[in-house]
Amino acid sequence: SQQGEEDPQALSIQEGENATMNCSYKTSINNLQWYRQNSGRGLVHLILIRSNEREKHSGRLRVTLDTSKKSSSLLITASRAADTASYFCATDATGGTSYGKLTFGQGTILTVHP
Amino acid sequence: DTEVTQTPKHLVMGMTNKKSLKCEQHMGHRAMYWYKQKAKKPPELMFVYSYEKLSINESVPSRFSPECPNSSLLNLHLHALQPEDSALYLCASSPGPPRLRNSPLHFGNGTRLTVT
Repeated sequence: SQQGEEDPQALSIQEGENATMNCSYKTSINNLQWYRQNSGRGLVHLILIRSNEREKHSGRLRVTLDTSKKSSSLLITASRAADTASYFCATDATGGTSYGKLTFGQGTILTVHP
Repeated sequence: DTEVTQTPKHLVMGMTNKKSLKCEQHMGHRAMYWYKQKAKKPPELMFVYSYEKLSINESVPSRFSPECPNSSLLNLHLHALQPEDSALYLCASSPGPPRLRNSPLHFGNGTRLTVT
């Protein structure tokens, strides 16, 4: 079963607007990561936030993590048409047997209209 | 462009065929992964190799057989597949222990597999 659940499943916005995607998970984690996938391509790592961090920035990206609510959000500011892609959160659960295992959420399909 | 190279990009095979997917990375990473992704779904982990040894097998059917000949190469041998095995197969790598935790995955662009 998938660890992460994301909402919304799909998001359609105009260029220049901000896009916010949310991710919820069920177990304790070491870190949470966000990836982008353009249609038919591989995933590209965007940002990693550790369990002891609450907020992280990278360029136009801002990620928050609330371990008490087991949730994270990804904010893309001033969106561009090139940001159109699927976005996945992925969790690295604690526990020795899961070492090296990332579990991906269902993903959010973002469409940015020019 | 990705630093993880997967070949072929597309593969069509019959249910009686034997084929192999190949993955190569030259970043010095010691952990390599196979993921399977169906359309409009997230990637699902199949196998993890750490220092050329299989460390995780997510109960994958034996018609999928992974191989890690050296630290740069990862193969996935396919035999007697079913049409429902049609998917995008993604290879990924990461630095590996002791840096395995808190290291992102580097993905290839995948092999689009169609089983007829």
